Amino acid sequence: GGIITQTPKFLIGQEGQKLTLKCQQNFNHDTMYWYRQDSGKGLRLIYYSITENDLQKGDLSEGYDASREKKSSFSLTVTSAQKNEMAVFLCASSSTGRGTEVFFGKGTRLTVV
Amino acid sequence: GDSVTQTEGLVTLTEGLPVMLNCTYQTIYSNPFLFWYVQHLNESPRLLLKSFTDNKRTEHQGFHATLHKSSSSFHLQKSSAQLSDSALYYCALSEANSAGNKLTFGIGTRVLVRP
Repeated sequence: GGIITQTPKFLIGQEGQKLTLKCQQNFNHDTMYWYRQDSGKGLRLIYYSITENDLQKGDLSEGYDASREKKSSFSLTVTSAQKNEMAVFLCASSSTGRGTEVFFGKGTRLTVV
Repeated sequence: GDSVTQTEGLVTLTEGLPVMLNCTYQTIYSNPFLFWYVQHLNESPRLLLKSFTDNKRTEHQGFHATLHKSSSSFHLQKSSAQLSDSALYYCALSEANSAGNKLTFGIGTRVLVRP
């Protein structure tokens, strides 16, 4: 088994601030993902990476940057936090291959004041 | 692009009664993988079951679903709900040949099972 660790668990930012969320996995998975979870909107893909130094945009990439510095880590940056924004950001990972299981971290809850 | 439509909102039912959550999808690809993920309160989503094969029933932990490509559906069912089934359920789709197995999720259906 393995685990996905997201830091911080809670993040409070100010409007316009640049905020970075971090994720580590010890599954030795090639692919990592960032999803945003909003009530009533499901999970929406922000960025994913199929290998170290690779980046692929998801449906919700505008306003975000990502970085895959090494195989085990994947960070997400909110480039300019929006006032009253509240969401949970979920990091995930999977091996490559058809239909493989995606494993999720426990999330970072963002609040922008 | 791909899309997934689920039973919306909150489904409230009594313990012991059957559960059925609807899921339909749209994709241009002919070989999608369909998934059900479950998220209990204060936990992360985890895989409940998945399927790639048309008209074949797949089961796990008392739940079952059958992928029907003719109707683009993958409904989740359980014959007798338990209190511990209270959770948020997501239907998801991935194109079988997609790099990285990226998933398209529905909006989620919250299930509340009462005694």
